[in-house]
Amino acid sequence: AQSVTQPDIHITVSEGASLELRCNYSYGATPYLFWYVQSPGQGLQLLLKYFSGDTLVQGIKGFEAEFKRSQSSFNLRKPSVHWSDAAEYFCAAWRSNTGKLIFGQGTTLQVKP
Amino acid sequence: GAGVSQSPSNKVTEKGKDVELRCDPISGHTALYWYRQSLGQGLEFLIYFQGNSAPDKSGLPSDRFSAERTGGSVSTLTIQRTQQEDSAVYLCASSRDMSSGANVLTFGAGSRLTVL
Repeated sequence: AQSVTQPDIHITVSEGASLELRCNYSYGATPYLFWYVQSPGQGLQLLLKYFSGDTLVQGIKGFEAEFKRSQSSFNLRKPSVHWSDAAEYFCAAWRSNTGKLIFGQGTTLQVKP
Repeated sequence: GAGVSQSPSNKVTEKGKDVELRCDPISGHTALYWYRQSLGQGLEFLIYFQGNSAPDKSGLPSDRFSAERTGGSVSTLTIQRTQQEDSAVYLCASSRDMSSGANVLTFGAGSRLTVL
């Protein structure tokens, strides 16, 4: 079955440290891939997306993600985390013939001062 | 409208009552989606509409759940005979269409449902 897996439920990093959130997908072919962020009490905001082409994509708020076909992964990174980045992050995948955007379980990011 | 609008933002109801949740998508967006986010859970796909048609209803948890969309715009998610396990945040999203291959969803703020 098609699925998206985020192996880390909860991650804590110190402010200023680098961040990598993992995402793996299980699809027959490369889907379109997304990262969304949900801050407390807020709706989901799109951080970045990958459709094709350059495997390193840049998003908002200084985030980037790298698509690796060989590993079926789409990990999210940020070189230096800010306290305001504390939120829940969702990886998602969509294939045009399904009409569904399937989400991972989410990773909660806590930022230590 | 400028964004996806959902109402009510908060709904508290008693077990066994029916509830209706409304979603008003971005103007011109033909595709509309409903998701459910339960405490500690990810986002569970419920149903999507292309225009007024719902090609895939397999995500609806039970026959107590139904959804409709009229005029290719507003959608209503109805939960009949609510149960405590229905307590969740119900998120609506819309996108320009499903044929573009670049289907970016814009989400509303959600409707938080609490069943006592």
